[in-house]
Amino acid sequence: RKEVEQDPGPFNVPEGATVAFNCTYSNSASQSFFWYRQDCRKEPKLLMSVYSSGNEDGRFTAQLNRASQYISLLIRDSKLSDSATYLCVVRKGDYKLSFGAGTTVTVRA
Amino acid sequence: NAGVMQNPRHLVRRRGQEARLRCSPMKGHSHVYWYRQLPEEGLKFMVYLQKENIIDESGMPKERFSAEFPKEGPSILRIQQVVRGDSAAYFCASSPDFLNEQYFGPGTRLTVT
Repeated sequence: RKEVEQDPGPFNVPEGATVAFNCTYSNSASQSFFWYRQDCRKEPKLLMSVYSSGNEDGRFTAQLNRASQYISLLIRDSKLSDSATYLCVVRKGDYKLSFGAGTTVTVRA
Repeated sequence: NAGVMQNPRHLVRRRGQEARLRCSPMKGHSHVYWYRQLPEEGLKFMVYLQKENIIDESGMPKERFSAEFPKEGPSILRIQQVVRGDSAAYFCASSPDFLNEQYFGPGTRLTVT
């Protein structure tokens, strides 16, 4: 079983729509959770950390469910520039980041 | 303030040749991590280094792969006798300490023909 699993998508949505997707993680000892964004053939960039109480950063909302071991990301009012692959990342507490394979989102005009 | 730098950005090698990938961490960062991303897969941890020390190489293939981070100069990931399966994007990241955010470089795309 993979450490981090994501629905690969793609999610094709019109501008202004809301899109949401999840990832699940297998290691209950995981302590830190993140969403990264990866544009085509470029480096991953931290989008936001995910906290137990849930957190929001502008149009992006992240939720963590430790009991069910899943993390979600919701994007409101989608922009064309939101088109990217979103990587779910977990860390057990040391330095090793475990990446999901990514969920592709395409926002169309 | 320059970010993490990697070179070359693209590298083509024939089977059996050696590949050397370089990574210069951000200024002030002494912790370097290498990850590999195979097509359609997530990034996989390979090795964690500090200056002159390999801290964790549990993600490195046992043969043909080695990494170093000398006192002076960039970190080097070396792949000897490359095979087609080594074709991937290799990303380097750096951080000021092992718990802080890791900043990624632009990656080196290795193609083995």
